[in-house]
Amino acid sequence: QVQLVQSGAEVKKPGASVKVSCKTSGYTFTNYYMHWVRQAPGQGLEWVGIINPSGGSTSYAQKFQGRVTMTRDKSTSTVYMELSSLRSEDTAVYYCARGGGGTSADFHYWGQGTLVTVSS
Amino acid sequence: DIQMTQSPSSLSASVGDRVTITCRASQSISSYLNWYQQKPGKAPKILIYATSSLQGGVPSRFSGSGSGTDFTLTISSLQPEDFATYYCQQSYSTPYTFGQGTNLEIK
Repeated sequence: QVQLVQSGAEVKKPGASVKVSCKTSGYTFTNYYMHWVRQAPGQGLEWVGIINPSGGSTSYAQKFQGRVTMTRDKSTSTVYMELSSLRSEDTAVYYCARGGGGTSADFHYWGQGTLVTVSS
Repeated sequence: DIQMTQSPSSLSASVGDRVTITCRASQSISSYLNWYQQKPGKAPKILIYATSSLQGGVPSRFSGSGSGTDFTLTISSLQPEDFATYYCQQSYSTPYTFGQGTNLEIK
């Protein structure tokens, strides 16, 4: 069965960077794009960006351009999201999410979420 | 960016009620509309994709309809486990935007 297992909670100071991992199993890693979605406390869902695990190409929401980097490691079927220059507004649960089809953006599978807290 | 507007933002209903949540896109998204259910402390769960396709394992009391800019999620007879927050999401073009959510509460 498809599983997305994310790394544990992080506490960071403003200006620092955080790197969240999402280890996948149960399907062919390179056949499905992976998305990242975040949710600030008590707020709605916000799409961060997408990575093609096959070639490594990425697309990011304009809001995060220049601060976010998504990468993958095909040897471990893991995707990563790094967010830099953190500010308090980046405090949120970050989810990796996979579509139902190869490139689709209907999120059938979700990681358990990683809480990133930005606080001085 | 495509803006997604859900209504209502919150809703009180009773077990057995029929409930409808609407979602409007700021431009046509064809049928690229998905619905999610989220319970506190949990990741969202997909209910409906491509406007009206029921995800496997989701009860048939959930249904979706619409096209273009106007969409609805209907729960035909509310069950206790349905009280949650519901989000619509367009998968037509990046950035893939969500509605603000509808909090469905017990009356």
